[in-house]
Amino acid sequence: EAGVAQSPRYKIIEKRQSVAFWCNPISGHATLYWYQQILGQGPKLLIQFQNNGVVDDSQLPKDRFSAERLKGVDSTLKIQPAKLEDSAVYLCASSARTGGPEAFFGQGTRLTVV
Amino acid sequence: GEDVEQSLFLSVREGDSSVINCTYTDSSSTYLYWYKQEPGAGLQLLTYIFSNMDMKQDQRLTVLLNKKDKHLSLRIADTQTGDSAIYFCATRSNAGKSTFGDGTTLTVKP
Repeated sequence: EAGVAQSPRYKIIEKRQSVAFWCNPISGHATLYWYQQILGQGPKLLIQFQNNGVVDDSQLPKDRFSAERLKGVDSTLKIQPAKLEDSAVYLCASSARTGGPEAFFGQGTRLTVV
Repeated sequence: GEDVEQSLFLSVREGDSSVINCTYTDSSSTYLYWYKQEPGAGLQLLTYIFSNMDMKQDQRLTVLLNKKDKHLSLRIADTQTGDSAIYFCATRSNAGKSTFGDGTTLTVKP
C-alpha cells in the first residue's frame, strides 16, 4: 500500500512570494490533515478535511494560507504572500475516518523563506 | 486551547530501559499516541492507546495511561541506538483533532 505522498520535498522562496504544496493521501482515506511543524516544536494542525469538506480550519491563517481538496482525494496548501515565520515543515496526514485511531504522515515539505 | 507537555531530552545507555513521560489537559481525549520522528523524516506512528485502557504492550513498547492524572508514558525496553529519535506524544478528540507535544529527544549511548 502506497503511503502519503507530498511534493516538493524542499522549497526555498523569498518573503512575499507565493508557494504551493501538494499531498496525495493513502487511497480510500476520507480524512486529510495539513500540519505545520516549526523547528523544535510539535506539529500544529492547520486544516482538516473530511472528503472535500472542511472540518476544522480554526488555526489556519486565512489572510495568507488557503487549502483545497476539490475532488476529495489530493489536496493543495498555498501560502500567499509568504513571511519569514512561515519557514517550517508542512506535513500532510490521512486517516480512514474522522476520529479513527490511525493517521499516517507523509515525509513533509521543508519550506525556507528568506 | 488544549496542551500536551513533554520533557525535552532523555539520554540512556544502550540496553537500558527508556521512559518518556507526557501530561495533557484534554480530558475528552479518546486516543493517545506516541510517534517517532527521525531526522528529515515524517512522523511514524509507534503505538496508541484508547482512553478506557490503562496499559498496552507491543513488543519492546509499553504504554501506561493514568487518566486521573492525565499522564501518559512510553517505556522502551532494551533500548538500542536505532531508537535515537524525537518522540511525540499526541492526543485526539472524538472529532479527530490532534494536539501534539513538542517532542522528547532520546539519545542512546553505546
